[in-house]
Amino acid sequence: NAGVTQTPKFQVLKTGQSMTLQCAQDMNHEYMSWYRQDPGMGLRLIHYSVGAGITDQGEVPNGYNVSRSTTEDFPLRLLSAAPSQTSVYFCASSYSSTGTGDEKLFFGSGTQLSVL
Amino acid sequence: SQKIEQNSEALNIQEGKTATLTCNYTNYSPAYLQWYRQDPGRGPVFLLLIRENEKEKRKERLKVTFDTTLKQSLFHITASQPADSATYLCALRGTGGFKTIFGAGTRLFVKA
Repeated sequence: NAGVTQTPKFQVLKTGQSMTLQCAQDMNHEYMSWYRQDPGMGLRLIHYSVGAGITDQGEVPNGYNVSRSTTEDFPLRLLSAAPSQTSVYFCASSYSSTGTGDEKLFFGSGTQLSVL
Repeated sequence: SQKIEQNSEALNIQEGKTATLTCNYTNYSPAYLQWYRQDPGRGPVFLLLIRENEKEKRKERLKVTFDTTLKQSLFHITASQPADSATYLCALRGTGGFKTIFGAGTRLFVKA
């Protein structure tokens, strides 16, 4: 089982460039989310989705866009990269988000992004 | 504002001892609390989930307690081993919402 797959693993951008971080899961999970992890600050929620066609903002959504056209995919778009977006990005999914007992998150292996 | 606090200082213990990690939260009504383990360069891995109406949960050498009056969870690893060395993250999901918010984590070192 592939689980949660993130690509690329590493990326270097110049300020102002745009790019899309890919996330796919093959577990038929309804809930997907994006986090960034910075030293000393833990994981901060960027955006999340409770199903295809439904997205919402997390704690730090500015500078990022998401869409959820299929259950499997949840790409994260950086519209105009800034040095403050240098971080490690994790995608996570869970079967449910509605208190049924299947809320544990499965994480991808992360994307290390540097913005120069 | 909502806040989740974990001890930022690393915890160093001797092999065989019990490690106890603390998670405190403020301005939050959690539906449930989770603990994750993260190794360097890897994504977090789920360990345990405890609900607001549960006081204690166990899984093998792991035990989690949840005190909604104190707004605190304790995470215990008994008979610790060097392989338990990692960062442990506390996460909360509030009632009526879909956001799972994480603490900054506590680094645990178990010496042989």
